Amino acid sequence: KQEVTQIPAALSVPEGENLVLNCSFTDSAIYNLQWFRQDPGKGLTSLLLIQSSQREQTSGRLNASLDKSSGRSTLYIAASQPGDSATYLCAVRGGRDYKLTFGKGTLLTVNP
Amino acid sequence: GAGVSQSPRYKVAKRGQDVALRCDPISGHVSLFWYQQALGQGPEFLTYFQNEAQLDKSGLPSDRFFAERPEGSVSTLKIQRTQQEDSAVYLCASSLGQTYSNQPQHFGDGTRLSIL
Repeated sequence: KQEVTQIPAALSVPEGENLVLNCSFTDSAIYNLQWFRQDPGKGLTSLLLIQSSQREQTSGRLNASLDKSSGRSTLYIAASQPGDSATYLCAVRGGRDYKLTFGKGTLLTVNP
Repeated sequence: GAGVSQSPRYKVAKRGQDVALRCDPISGHVSLFWYQQALGQGPEFLTYFQNEAQLDKSGLPSDRFFAERPEGSVSTLKIQRTQQEDSAVYLCASSLGQTYSNQPQHFGDGTRLSIL
């Protein structure tokens, strides 16, 4: 059974700092990996999707990398802003699956 | 609308009552998913539809949970004889592609269900 772990569970940084969120998964036979953002009381906003054949994806100040063989992904946020404060969730889709398996998320607070 | 729409946004019910939660996916999206998110946890898969066909219901916690998508568009998640442990946020997601496509899943804002 696929298990997804996110470290750290919570992170507080001053505005402007670059930061890295970590995600690990137990079964490397994945189809893709998706990073989401969740604001309080809201649903999930898709940030980046990395296919299993890719190593990284970039969107603006966000960069996500994937090392399938080691079962790891990182989300890099450059020049963080208070508006980046949210919970960030990592989810993997298995090779023979269509459902997403999620981690518990990292609660990010960016202080002005 | 442009996104996945869920209603109601909040639902309070007494233990033992039946509830129905609605999901309007993005127009034209073939795949539809339901997830359950407990407080402080990531979402957990409940069930999956491809058009009107329910291809996977392995995540439904009990036979009190039932989902349908009769015309391949709007979906309803029904919970019968609700219990306190059913309290959670229920998220709906849709995706353009079929079962093994690489399209991302787009989520609605969810229905927060509280059972008293």
